[in-house]
Amino acid sequence: GQNIDQPTEMTATEGAIVQINCTYQTSGFNGLFWYQQHAGEAPTFLSYNVLDGLEEKGRFSSFLSRSKGYSYLLLKELQMKDSASYLCAVLDSNYQLIWGAGTKLIIKP
Amino acid sequence: ETGVTQTPRHLVMGMTNKKSLKCEQHLGHNAMYWYKQSAKKPLELMFVYNFKEQTENNSVPSRFSPECPNSSHLFLHLHTLQPEDSALYLCASSQDWGDRSYEQYFGPGTRLTVT
Repeated sequence: GQNIDQPTEMTATEGAIVQINCTYQTSGFNGLFWYQQHAGEAPTFLSYNVLDGLEEKGRFSSFLSRSKGYSYLLLKELQMKDSASYLCAVLDSNYQLIWGAGTKLIIKP
Repeated sequence: ETGVTQTPRHLVMGMTNKKSLKCEQHLGHNAMYWYKQSAKKPLELMFVYNFKEQTENNSVPSRFSPECPNSSHLFLHLHTLQPEDSALYLCASSQDWGDRSYEQYFGPGTRLTVT
């Protein structure tokens, strides 16, 4: 079966750095997405990786290793507004998005 | 604002009621999706429409009936639902089907409670 694993919940301190991991086992791979979802709001696109390596976008970076079936989202200089759920999703060989259950990130002052 | 709107935002219905959820996208996209989001579970893809044609129906019970009259509008008709159908129903759109164009834009969702 297809599976996406990510931690259920993480806690970090304002101003710090946090890394949210995602491992996947899917039938084929056509890219990996990270989305942010604040409570009661729509998920919004953060990043897309299809090649190995690190993609940096401001305070957020996303890393992919296809051989290891692994990705992480790195958030730097954490702000209170970064408290949200972070969803990892993989596009499989049929171009179907397989979603993880999300990681709830709690930022403390 | 993501360019995708959904109404109503909240809905409470009895098991014998019939109601409809509406989604509209103002992005000129060709693909639209219905998802179910339950607490602490992955997003469940229910239906996909590409150029108004249904391309995916992931074993969704017949009490959920989608309708896509044009590429900008998507409906989800609900009838004789069960309490376990209570969830957040999200609509999304993307430019097209496949690779990077799969970046999806989500609406704010309809919080459905079945009593």
